[in-house]
Amino acid sequence: DQQVKQNSPSLSVQEGRISILNCDYTNSMFDYFLWYKKYPAEGPTFLISISSIKDKNEDGRFTVFLNKSAKHLSLHIVPSQPGDSAVYFCAASEEYGNKLVFGAGTILRVKS
Amino acid sequence: NAGVTQTPKFRVLKTGQSMTLLCAQDMNHEYMYWYRQDPGMGLRLIHYSVGEGTTAKGEVPDGYNVSRLKKQNFLLGLESAAPSQTSVYFCASSYPSPEQYFGPGTRLTVT
Repeated sequence: DQQVKQNSPSLSVQEGRISILNCDYTNSMFDYFLWYKKYPAEGPTFLISISSIKDKNEDGRFTVFLNKSAKHLSLHIVPSQPGDSAVYFCAASEEYGNKLVFGAGTILRVKS
Repeated sequence: NAGVTQTPKFRVLKTGQSMTLLCAQDMNHEYMYWYRQDPGMGLRLIHYSVGEGTTAKGEVPDGYNVSRLKKQNFLLGLESAAPSQTSVYFCASSYPSPEQYFGPGTRLTVT
């Protein structure tokens, strides 16, 4: 049973528009959530995170929103750029400093 | 700083052969992890370590062994490779915090 789900395998967006990537989780014990970005033939790189005590965290063009009651989080990228084309993984941690549970990933393509 | 490095980058094994994947980090991180990535399944944790000399099982530990003899190194062993172990393997490290730093990966094919 997947505890972290990314139901959209892929997303295509025009350059300059907003990209919204979604993630759902089932484990109510998760209290820290992260987004990773992965280019082909490279390892994932940390992008942005959010603690369960917050509902929003921003870092430049990237914003993560957390809706604990719905067990849902989303990553917004504004404006989208061609260099953002990559696989995005959502991950969750049950306790601070412990192991991560990853979603299956969403392939984002930003068209110029 | 090199960050997290993995050796080798590619390997082809025959069923039943053994091999060891090496992960090294130069960030003085306490925690280290081994994941495998398969199409449509994201990254799944194989084994992890919270300090030198310690190891623990993750989500998919069967068929793998690990050792953490030195703080900077984390080894993943396959004693008798099977085609189901064909995958891309990633090592990661972290402080006692959720943000993990990943290596570039090892692509393993078992025929």
